[in-house]
Amino acid sequence: SQTIHQWPATLVQPVGSPLSLECTVEGTSNPNLYWYRQAAGRGLQLLFYSVGIGQISSEVPQNLSASRPQDRQFILSSKKLLLSDSGFYLCAWSVSVAQGESPLHFGNGTRLTVT
Amino acid sequence: TQLLEQSPQFLSIQEGENLTVYCNSSSVFSSLQWYRQEPGEGPVLLVTVVTGGEVKKLKRLTFQFGDARKDSSLHITAAQPGDTGLYLCAGYDRGSTLGRLYFGRGTQLTVWP
Repeated sequence: SQTIHQWPATLVQPVGSPLSLECTVEGTSNPNLYWYRQAAGRGLQLLFYSVGIGQISSEVPQNLSASRPQDRQFILSSKKLLLSDSGFYLCAWSVSVAQGESPLHFGNGTRLTVT
Repeated sequence: TQLLEQSPQFLSIQEGENLTVYCNSSSVFSSLQWYRQEPGEGPVLLVTVVTGGEVKKLKRLTFQFGDARKDSSLHITAAQPGDTGLYLCAGYDRGSTLGRLYFGRGTQLTVWP
């Protein structure tokens, strides 16, 4: 069966510090991978998605970046965090079809607080 | 811009009551997914509806896709405390440039024992 691991579960970082969140998927090959952010009282905002190694599409201009160094590894990074980067970050995967055509399978998220 | 409006935003009811939450848009979607999210966890898929007018049942949950594929509803019969969570709808637009999934802001349901 497929599983998705996301870590850390919680993170408190000062403004201006770097960020690295990691997500790995097991039990499937060539998945579509996604990073979403969920702010309190709001829905899910798509940040990045990837259809393959080294292929990253950005949905929203921001000071975040994503990388996919391996088929089942997706990393969300920032060089300098802003207060507005606080939120709940979710990694997800889907089978390799058009984005949205297949259901998303989410990790348990990372609660990021920038102080 | 695709926009999915969910209502109500918050719903607090007693165990045993029935409820309906709505997901509306002015846009047509190829399909619509419903997810439930519990605190500190990621959303989990409940159902996907594809055909206009389609009705799917999942135990006490009934999902309906509007005839015009612009809206959907989720009805829960005899709600239980275990139904508590954030219910999210997400519409898939196959015709958009990225074939992307659009999420509503969710309905936070609390069922009191």
